[in-house]
Amino acid sequence: QKEVEQDPGPLSVPEGAIVSLNCTYSNSAFQYFMWYRQYSRKGPELLMYTYSSGNKEDGRFTAQVDKSSKYISLFIRDSQPSDSATYLCAMSPLPRSSASKIIFGSGTRLSIRP
Amino acid sequence: SQTIHQWPATLVQPVGSPLSLECTVEGTSNPNLYWYRQAAGRGLQLLFYSVGIGQISSEVPQNLSASRPQDRQFILSSKKLLLSDSGFYLCAWRDREGPNYGYTFGSGTRLTVV
Repeated sequence: QKEVEQDPGPLSVPEGAIVSLNCTYSNSAFQYFMWYRQYSRKGPELLMYTYSSGNKEDGRFTAQVDKSSKYISLFIRDSQPSDSATYLCAMSPLPRSSASKIIFGSGTRLSIRP
Repeated sequence: SQTIHQWPATLVQPVGSPLSLECTVEGTSNPNLYWYRQAAGRGLQLLFYSVGIGQISSEVPQNLSASRPQDRQFILSSKKLLLSDSGFYLCAWRDREGPNYGYTFGSGTRLTVV
């Protein structure tokens, strides 16, 4: 079983729709949760991060963590064609030691139709 | 501010030829440095990481090697490329002491071995 599972998609939704992206994980030591966005032929960029369970909002993006279910989500409201990209979830245990590596999901490819 | 430079952006190399990809980080000191490979439609595979000059940890046995001759320089090498070495190579750094806990990625090198 992989430590982090993520549906690869592709996911195609019309512009303006609410998008829900999800990951599950098996390692209860994970404490720090991230979402990266990767445009085609570019490196991933950090979109959001959170340390704890609950919701964190940044503009049209909301990250949600449920540690009891080992489940994280990223919601995108009022989706735009510019949101079309691959979204990777990532997580890591704390503290920030040299042995503490970030584990990535395989990514979900998202396409927003105009 | 911190920046990461990775070059070249694109590379086409014949089988059996050597490889050298370079990554440099500016605006920080003593970062953790990482090399990842991303195959088409696949997730991120950690190849090497380094916590200091001359300190290299290998995650996957393969045809590649890494070196860190200076604090902010990370080099990925191969003596003889294989077809299976084709992929998108990403360098990343992690701030040990600043507020950003995630990785910052370079723009990547797309390597095609022919």
